[in-house]
Amino acid sequence: NAGVMQNPRHLVRRRGQEARLRCSPMKGHSHVYWYRQLPEEGLKFMVYLQKENIIDESGMPKERFSAEFPKEGPSILRIQQVVRGDSAAYFCASSPARGLADTQYFGPGTRLTVL
Amino acid sequence: GIQVEQSPPDLILQEGANSTLRCNFSDSVNNLQWFHQNPWGQLINLFYIPSGTKQNGRLSATTVATERYSLLYISSSQTTDSGVYFCAVSGLGGGNKLTFGTGTQLKVEL
Repeated sequence: NAGVMQNPRHLVRRRGQEARLRCSPMKGHSHVYWYRQLPEEGLKFMVYLQKENIIDESGMPKERFSAEFPKEGPSILRIQQVVRGDSAAYFCASSPARGLADTQYFGPGTRLTVL
Repeated sequence: GIQVEQSPPDLILQEGANSTLRCNFSDSVNNLQWFHQNPWGQLINLFYIPSGTKQNGRLSATTVATERYSLLYISSSQTTDSGVYFCAVSGLGGGNKLTFGTGTQLKVEL
């Protein structure tokens, strides 16, 4: 059973460009979470999604950031008009649909560098 | 929201030594996980342990939910144990989002 997959592993963008980060959950998992690890800061929750629904986006910046988890295909975290402060490691996690309190399995992360 | 504190912030061990890492949390939880972030940045699941005790090889963990703390024990440490150890929790009223502690940076030397 393959683990959580994220791509790309490394992404370089210039200021003002768009960044698209992809996450494929573990097989059989229908809950996806995105977390961000900024330099010198801890890991912070961004958004929690189920298929075609955003459940909790309380950690998402108000502007330029969006997330989706379509019926088919991976979850996408999209950052428009990137700025240097968006440089960070972005981790995706997934859990099975057995209820709220369940193990979250993390992917290897996407390291975004904004020049 | 729920607060998570980890101690010590930094730890240096000689290979073969044992250690205990602590995680305190401010409210009741329905999820508590321990992770190891290796020097390549990958987050490795160690334990899902909202209560009770678990063991996996040289690692074990205990969570005392009523007293709001968890302990991670590392025995016979090896250089490959180096990295940052994170505790993360989700509170009873916080949905399923994990709140991470600031981590314990562990370095194991020969």
